[in-house]
Amino acid sequence: GAVVSQHPSRVICKSGTSVKIECRSLDFQATTMFWYRQFPKKSLMLMATSNEGSKATYEQGVEKDKFLINHASLTLSTLTVTSAHPEDSSFYICSARASGAGQPQHFGDGTRLSIL
Amino acid sequence: AQSVAQPEDQVNVAEGNPLTVKCTYSVSGNPYLFWYVQYPNRGLQFLLKYITGDNLVKGSYGFEAEFNKSQTSFHLKKPSALVSDSALYFCAVIEMDTGRRALTFGSGTRLQVQP
Repeated sequence: GAVVSQHPSRVICKSGTSVKIECRSLDFQATTMFWYRQFPKKSLMLMATSNEGSKATYEQGVEKDKFLINHASLTLSTLTVTSAHPEDSSFYICSARASGAGQPQHFGDGTRLSIL
Repeated sequence: AQSVAQPEDQVNVAEGNPLTVKCTYSVSGNPYLFWYVQYPNRGLQFLLKYITGDNLVKGSYGFEAEFNKSQTSFHLKKPSALVSDSALYFCAVIEMDTGRRALTFGSGTRLQVQP
């Protein structure tokens, strides 16, 4: 089956640090990648959608200068949380879809970000 | 606009009994429907999807779901629950598309299977 690898799985760092999270589709080409944030016992909140080679589309309320997304190739997208603060602590999950109607989204295992 | 409703925050079932996790959806056109499962501190795993064809869809780990257009529902079912099925389940929908938009997820239902 389709595999999405997300790295790192856990990050603990000081306030003010920038953190980069990588998302790779290992066995398919991901035309579109998505970044989600999940709060404890809550559903996924879509942060942004990125299509390879173009700028990401951010959901309302998500600061694009705070959460930098790069989708440089059909297999790699990165999310950089810039100058992270404790309120940015969360579980971040990436997802990738191949092109074509009805394709499911495949998810990485998430990154637990803890800002001290 | 598209939306998904999972009316139950939690479903409790005894091991060996059948289980149902409910999902209803709303889209303006034809839907593509999906079920995912999430284990603690993990991403979501794809279980099954309905695109077209037979209303009863079979997926991973013995799960199946029935598409009911008149009731706009896509309930997840399994004939005999296992303790290992205990997890968080998400229903998702998207109107027929080219694969460039995100699925819309329900709020999730926690399934607890008791030994």
